[in-house]
Amino acid sequence: DGGITQSPKYLFRKEGQNVTLSCEQNLNHDAMYWYRQDPGQGLRLIYYSQIVNDFQKGDIAEGYSVSREKKESFPLTVTSAQKNPTAFYLCASRVGGRNIQYFGAGTRLSVL
Amino acid sequence: EDQVTQSPEALRLQEGESSSLNCSYTVSGLRGLFWYRQDPGKGPEFLFTLYSAGEEKEKERLKATLTKKESFLHITAPKPEDSATYLCAVQSPSGGYQKVTFGTGTKLQVIP
Repeated sequence: DGGITQSPKYLFRKEGQNVTLSCEQNLNHDAMYWYRQDPGQGLRLIYYSQIVNDFQKGDIAEGYSVSREKKESFPLTVTSAQKNPTAFYLCASRVGGRNIQYFGAGTRLSVL
Repeated sequence: EDQVTQSPEALRLQEGESSSLNCSYTVSGLRGLFWYRQDPGKGPEFLFTLYSAGEEKEKERLKATLTKKESFLHITAPKPEDSATYLCAVQSPSGGYQKVTFGTGTKLQVIP
């Protein structure tokens, strides 16, 4: 089945720790995105990548980092510099030439 | 700055009681308006894309319409399985990429 796989479903971070959220897609989509969702707020863009080996900061990139070494993969690292990391993180992808973004099932990150 | 406002924040309907969800937007150069359905703890599921005023799309009990300032998601004779949060988003060109701005959603509960 084609789709976007996010793992893990739940993740816990200790103080001062970096954690990495995985996002893999087998849809052959060019563009990939990371969003953060907090209660009562719309999805906010963290990073996006339109092609391999290229990515751009979104609206709330501070405290996060990404890489795009393969078309299928776009991992997000939440660094210790992100002081309020508790949120629901969503990865999305979009096929070139179409505007529709398709989402993974999300990763819920909590702080211990 | 693009803005999306969804109303009401929450809506409770009896099964079979038709209603509409509103999405008001301000955007510089609309490239598309999207409706998504999001179940608790899951990623948004794509429903519709609308591109120009006057456009309508239907899927089962849902019908989306678009004017120059707002979009409506009409729900006809809803069933309990239609209970979810419905997200609206607009896309516009920004900084060399297609920026998507999301609303905060309408949480729909359909009571048997």
